[in-house]
Amino acid sequence: GNSVTQMEGPVTLSEEAFLTINCTYTATGYPSLFWYVQYPGEGLQLLLKATKADDKGSNKGFEATYRKETTSFHLEKGSVQVSDSAVYFCALRNTGFQKLVFGTGTRLLVSP
Amino acid sequence: EAGVAQSPRYKIIEKRQSVAFWCNPISGHATLYWYQQILGQGPKLLIQFQNNGVVDDSQLPKDRFSAERLKGVDSTLKIQPAKLEDSAVYLCASSQTASHTERKLFFGSGTQLSVL
Repeated sequence: GNSVTQMEGPVTLSEEAFLTINCTYTATGYPSLFWYVQYPGEGLQLLLKATKADDKGSNKGFEATYRKETTSFHLEKGSVQVSDSAVYFCALRNTGFQKLVFGTGTRLLVSP
Repeated sequence: EAGVAQSPRYKIIEKRQSVAFWCNPISGHATLYWYQQILGQGPKLLIQFQNNGVVDDSQLPKDRFSAERLKGVDSTLKIQPAKLEDSAVYLCASSQTASHTERKLFFGSGTQLSVL
């Protein structure tokens, strides 16, 4: 079946540090891959996505590249801000009306 | 543009009681989802509606959970009777009907349920 594995948190960084949150997946077929973010007290929001191998999704300084050979979709940001503190979820969805499958989430805490 | 509305925001009940959650999706969104997010886990899909028909309810515990989407707009999720393990945040999401690669989900803020 389809599944997503994320690195456990919390990830604690100082402002302007480099961020990597690892995500690997298992899926049949050719899934689309997503990163969602959940800020404190808010609903999940789509951060970025990639729909095929070697695609790079990017938004708000965050990037992730769809690596089919390593079945990975790691999230990166060159310089984090305090406002990036949130829980980040990696997810995948296969073709048709297949459901979105989420990882367990990684909490990021950025201190000034 | 108004987002996905959910109520109530919080609910505390005792086990074996009943509870209902309400969701109003973004206007014009044909697809509506209910997710269960247990603390420390990722959201898990309970049920997906396309207009007022069920597309996927494979992970809905049908002996105690039920959901409906009358008229293909807002939706209600009910738990009867509740168990301790039902304590979670219940998320509603909606999307326009489109190809799977382009369909973007919009989530509500969720209802946090505590079963004592």
